[in-house]
Amino acid sequence: DGGITQSPKYLFRKEGQNVTLSCEQNLNHDAMYWYRQDPGQGLRLIYYSQIVNDFQKGDIAEGYSVSREKKESFPLTVTSAQKNPTAFYLCASSPRGLVNEQYFGPGTRLTVT
Amino acid sequence: QKEVEQNSGPLSVPEGAIASLNCTYSDRGSQSFFWYRQYSGKSPELIMSIYSNGDKEDGRFTAQLNKASQYVSLLIRDSQPSDSATYLCAAHGSGNTGKLIFGQGTTLQVKP
Repeated sequence: DGGITQSPKYLFRKEGQNVTLSCEQNLNHDAMYWYRQDPGQGLRLIYYSQIVNDFQKGDIAEGYSVSREKKESFPLTVTSAQKNPTAFYLCASSPRGLVNEQYFGPGTRLTVT
Repeated sequence: QKEVEQNSGPLSVPEGAIASLNCTYSDRGSQSFFWYRQYSGKSPELIMSIYSNGDKEDGRFTAQLNKASQYVSLLIRDSQPSDSATYLCAAHGSGNTGKLIFGQGTTLQVKP
């Protein structure tokens, strides 16, 4: 079964702790993306990567970090510097080329108290 | 700031009616457009993509694109209660970054 997996589905952390969200895909897609969604709002791009060992900041990268050491994996770390980390985090992937359809994983709901 | 605008709704239609969802975009260089359906608490699911002017039909869904007016729409025929969800419009920006610009979504309610 091809797809995108994110783990865990729900995550609870205390303020001041770093936390890493997992995203894995077996679609052989080159590009991967991380978005954040807050209640009643659209998707905001955090980071994206078009190729292994390379990534770019999106619109709201402050307080987040990523790595892309393998084509299949694009983990996101939410650091203690992120002021409002509680949100729904969505990972997506896309084949490169003119058709840039993005396919989403099931998401991780992070709650920081 | 490149933007995609949608009416947040809710748009309420009776079961069996046609639901019409609209979206405008600001980047004239955008070439690809997508509609995603998002059920409450779930992740977005791609339901339609459109790249050229005109209509594209897939089952009960029709996407319409008018690049001159910078306007994209999604028609859902014979609306069902299971179509009740938030519909996100997205545009691929000009350039080769692969980035999509998302609208805030329109909530559709189909009443039995």
